[in-house]
Amino acid sequence: SQKIEQNSEALNIQEGKTATLTCNYTNYSPAYLQWYRQDPGRGPVFLLLIRENEKEKRKERLKVTFDTTLKQSLFHITASQPADSATYLCALDSVVRGGADGLTFGKGTHLIIQP
Amino acid sequence: NAGVTQTPKFQVLKTGQSMTLQCAQDMNHNSMYWYRQDPGMGLRLIYYSASEGTTDKGEVPNGYNVSRLNKREFSLRLESAAPSQTSVYFCASSELRGGRAPDTQYFGPGTRLTVL
Repeated sequence: SQKIEQNSEALNIQEGKTATLTCNYTNYSPAYLQWYRQDPGRGPVFLLLIRENEKEKRKERLKVTFDTTLKQSLFHITASQPADSATYLCALDSVVRGGADGLTFGKGTHLIIQP
Repeated sequence: NAGVTQTPKFQVLKTGQSMTLQCAQDMNHNSMYWYRQDPGMGLRLIYYSASEGTTDKGEVPNGYNVSRLNKREFSLRLESAAPSQTSVYFCASSELRGGRAPDTQYFGPGTRLTVL
C-alpha cells in the first residue's frame, strides 16, 4: 500500500542553523510533491510545490529537493528563526484516486527553533 | 477575501446526536474537501467534491455524509455521532484543473469536535 513517512519525532534546531526535514514515500509515482506548514490550532498553509521533473525549488529561505529514484523529498529552512517553529507536512497527489481528487498527507514533522 | 471559512469553531456532542459542519470558500474554486486530523494519524480525507453537484468518498467516509450545496459551500454531516469521531475537521478547496495538474489546497481554520 502507499505510504508517506515523515520523522514523527520533534526536530530541535538552534536559531540561525539550517533545518532539514525529510519526506519518504513508497508505492507512489507522484507527479508532484507539496510542503505545507501548520501552526497549532490552525489549518495547513501551502509553502512550496515541486514537480517530478524538477530536482530543486527555492522560495526565499526555503528549499525543496525531490529525488524520484530515492523516493524522497528534503525540505530545508536556512537561517532558521523561532518563528519557523511549526509542524511541516508533505503531501503527494494520490495515484490511487487518479490524481484528480486531492492529496495524501504525511503525518508531519514538528520543528522547534530554539533561540 | 476570507478564503475558506468554517463554522462552528468548537462543538461538543453527546453520542447519537447529529450535527452539520459548514464550509464556504470565496475563491471560486471547483473542488472542495473534508479532512479529519487526529494525533498520530495526520490528515485523512473523508469526502471530496471535484465540482458542483458531485461528491465522492475519500479514505474514511463511514459515519459521514456531505452536500455540495453550490460552488461555494460544502457541508459535512454526522448523523449519529460516536466518540471515535472526536477530531479536528478541516475543510479545504482548490482550483483543480483536472488530470494530474497540481492541486494546491487552501484550508479553513478547522472545527474542533468532541463527542462524549
